[in-house]
Amino acid sequence: AQSVTQLGSHVSVSEGALVLLRCNYSSSVPPYLFWYVQYPNQGLQLLLKYTSAATLVKGINGFEAEFKKSETSFHLTKPSAHMSDAAEYFCAVSGTADKLIFGTGTRLQVFP
Amino acid sequence: EPEVTQTPSHQVTQMGQEVILRCVPISNHLYFYWYRQILGQKVEFLVSFYNNEISEKSEIFDDQFSVERPDGSNFTLKIRSTKLEDSAMYFCASRTSATNEKLFFGSGTQLSVL
Repeated sequence: AQSVTQLGSHVSVSEGALVLLRCNYSSSVPPYLFWYVQYPNQGLQLLLKYTSAATLVKGINGFEAEFKKSETSFHLTKPSAHMSDAAEYFCAVSGTADKLIFGTGTRLQVFP
Repeated sequence: EPEVTQTPSHQVTQMGQEVILRCVPISNHLYFYWYRQILGQKVEFLVSFYNNEISEKSEIFDDQFSVERPDGSNFTLKIRSTKLEDSAMYFCASRTSATNEKLFFGSGTQLSVL
């Protein structure tokens, strides 16, 4: 069975501050891990994915995530937040099955 | 970038009524999915569809649900007799190949069952 846990349903940062969104996973097989973003009134958009190549994955809009097997984590970071980063962020895992298992999401607020 | 299109964006229905949620996946995609998100809860997998048949479905996807690709472009989700607990945002998604390739999501249909 696979699952992801996103710590913190809401995260608030100031513009220019570091963004850190936490995700821990559980998987009985080597996982594939994803971060999706959802802007208001839009669908889910892929930010980045980990598929067992490099453990540090770079995505769009300056985001990156590091796969840490020892910590079963795949936290999402961005060095400097921008107002346009305000959105809902979802961590997801998949394995051998052809489906994604999502976390409950983290709403990121960015203050000027 | 190509888009998955979902219509309508909002649907209100009475309990017990049938609803059909419509999706137009990206034209060269072969794998199609429905997910849903009840307010405040996680996005949940409902069903995957490939080669004109269901390849996997979740426990949520009971006999009240069905999917169809009637004409080679549309992909529909039908709920035969809606219940209050079916109220959710329903997302359609598609991709070119099965495993771990980028999944393109539509913007969702917000279904409200009264």
